[in-house]
Amino acid sequence: DSGVTQTPKHLITATGQRVTLRCSPRSGDLSVYWYQQSLDQGLQFLIQYYNGEERAKGNILERFSAQQFPDLHSELNLSSLELGDSALYFCASSGHYGYTFGSGTRLTVV
Amino acid sequence: SQQGEEDPQALSIQEGENATMNCSYKTSINNLQWYRQNSGRGLVHLILIRSNEREKHSGRLRVTLDTSKKSSSLLITASRAADTASYFCATDTGGFKTIFGAGTRLFVKA
Repeated sequence: DSGVTQTPKHLITATGQRVTLRCSPRSGDLSVYWYQQSLDQGLQFLIQYYNGEERAKGNILERFSAQQFPDLHSELNLSSLELGDSALYFCASSGHYGYTFGSGTRLTVV
Repeated sequence: SQQGEEDPQALSIQEGENATMNCSYKTSINNLQWYRQNSGRGLVHLILIRSNEREKHSGRLRVTLDTSKKSSSLLITASRAADTASYFCATDTGGFKTIFGAGTRLFVKA
């Protein structure tokens, strides 16, 4: 257990739907990062939150949004889903040691 | 293109051999990190090397950093079948996001 918790582990949904992925960072970490990993691809940075505020944005589609709550957990909302959104979505939290990743949510859009 | 790019894209070796993976990047960095990812799982932090360091060791891992060439290498000595995974370098440029490369797939044959 890395200390970063992501739920659900697997998600299968139809095109056009909306889903919410959840992440709880490691205890004491204020930053949460979201990454998307498509099949056989590297990680694409989506967005970062620090203590409830958005800090950096990467290649995040307008159909996607995220937020970080006062208890520091974060949610990534994906809407109007398309087949190409099928991927592993990872959340990570960070300290001086580097990143700690959750085990990911595997999203399959059918 | 990616800030961090690993080379080779894939590497296949026999158990007991050494594996070397390289990472090149484009801009100045604060630190560079290496991560391992087993198939479909989250990334695991292996080692962080700061910009003022040239070499770091952790068990069978040896990381070098050449800031003049903007490159780093990860050496795994006496490889084992369990080392089969994808290895990513990630660069911290001082912004709020860490950029990951596309990874090197390592196959260690027993």
